[in-house]
Amino acid sequence: DIVMTQTPLSSPVILGQPASISCRSDQSLVHSDGNTYLSWLQQRPGQPPRLLIYKISSRFSGVPDRFSGSGAGTDFTLKISRVEAEDVGVYYCMQATQLPITFGQGTRLEIK
Amino acid sequence: EVQLVESGGGLVQPGGSLRLSCAASGSAFSASWMHWVRQSPGEGLVWVSRIHSDGSNAKYADSVKGRFTISRDNAKNTLYLHMNSLRAEDTAVYYCATDWFYTLNYWGQGTLVTVSS
Repeated sequence: DIVMTQTPLSSPVILGQPASISCRSDQSLVHSDGNTYLSWLQQRPGQPPRLLIYKISSRFSGVPDRFSGSGAGTDFTLKISRVEAEDVGVYYCMQATQLPITFGQGTRLEIK
Repeated sequence: EVQLVESGGGLVQPGGSLRLSCAASGSAFSASWMHWVRQSPGEGLVWVSRIHSDGSNAKYADSVKGRFTISRDNAKNTLYLHMNSLRAEDTAVYYCATDWFYTLNYWGQGTLVTVSS
């Protein structure tokens, strides 16, 4: 199984300031079709997960442009340009290049 | 947009069985691969199972292989998860989700399964 490791596990941020979460896989996430199936999910308190970013850097429908993804191979980053109160929650990276689908441990974003 | 509504969760004794359902809105269901993902209380997300749009090629996490069966009824726009030989460690909120080009783009609200005597 591909192991996904996120850092930090907790991120206190000031409203309006940027935030960044890293995700590393223990093997390349490049699929045989040439795509890299790395996604980012947000889970607000008491809510199901919500897709933010897919294929490293593509924003899903309705996701604000303050969210952006980058990376390649085994190292990926989610950035929030200016944190808003509604961004509080847990963020997960997820790989679907290979079954089983695996997730990072989650990074808790909280307001400082 | 697809809407997914899970049901069928509840309290069950160890060794018991349960069938979860996931009702989907819209015509896109029959064309979508579907997944089950679970989340134990206070824990992270764990993939459970996947099924192709035509009901073929079911895959399972090792932890549930041989005990859980995923299936679907496209005429009813419904996904199922049949769970047998339940263990305490199966206690979790179970989510269904649609697969869209190797990501999980829509998720249901989840249904809680508690395995306890």
